[in-house]
Amino acid sequence: ETGVTQTPRHLVMGMTNKKSLKCEQHLGHNAMYWYKQSAKKPLELMFVYSLEERVENNSVPSRFSPECPNSSHLFLHLHTLQPEDSALYLCASSQVMRGESTDTQYFGPGTRLTVL
Amino acid sequence: AQSVTQPDIHITVSEGASLELRCNYSYGATPYLFWYVQSPGQGLQLLLKYFSGDTLVQGIKGFEAEFKRSQSSFNLRKPSVHWSDAAEYFCAPRSEAAGNKLTFGGGTRVLVKP
Repeated sequence: ETGVTQTPRHLVMGMTNKKSLKCEQHLGHNAMYWYKQSAKKPLELMFVYSLEERVENNSVPSRFSPECPNSSHLFLHLHTLQPEDSALYLCASSQVMRGESTDTQYFGPGTRLTVL
Repeated sequence: AQSVTQPDIHITVSEGASLELRCNYSYGATPYLFWYVQSPGQGLQLLLKYFSGDTLVQGIKGFEAEFKRSQSSFNLRKPSVHWSDAAEYFCAPRSEAAGNKLTFGGGTRVLVKP
């Protein structure tokens, strides 16, 4: 496997279900990101982990819960979602160096989530 | 407030013709600038990036972009489009003033006619 992988690629869930999205990066990076891409809206940054510490949480509802057990893996735990949460969820990773902001983010293929 | 605009939502171009996608940004200082492409059902792939130096940047797949400070623009170009270039293209500035976050434009969807 190379780059950034995401599983599953497609997920359909009911509003009472609990599911998790998984992201794995094989690039040796130290930062990982979750983005939401909805129809007709720009990409929205949800969470950022740098060195396994959450450094960004953009006012995301608590029904989304991220987890970063190590620098290569990132999860997004989902529970009691709403139909408006249906979207493409993209994971990205980058190599962050202290005092610099020139890192480049590399994206996975995304998980297409449908909430019924 | 920082913002990025991609004025064209859709562009249709004939195969073999040239393509230019516009990107304008509003930031206090010159941000770092990225262009990504998203093919149907796929994630985002980096085409090119500008940090400093030469204002004409070469990327993958034959794309290039020109940074124009006076116009606050970073337009993407390709001299001759291939059918496989049909995709959605995103401009994304990033600056320390905006918390080092990538801010994505609304995207431009490119359709290629045979």
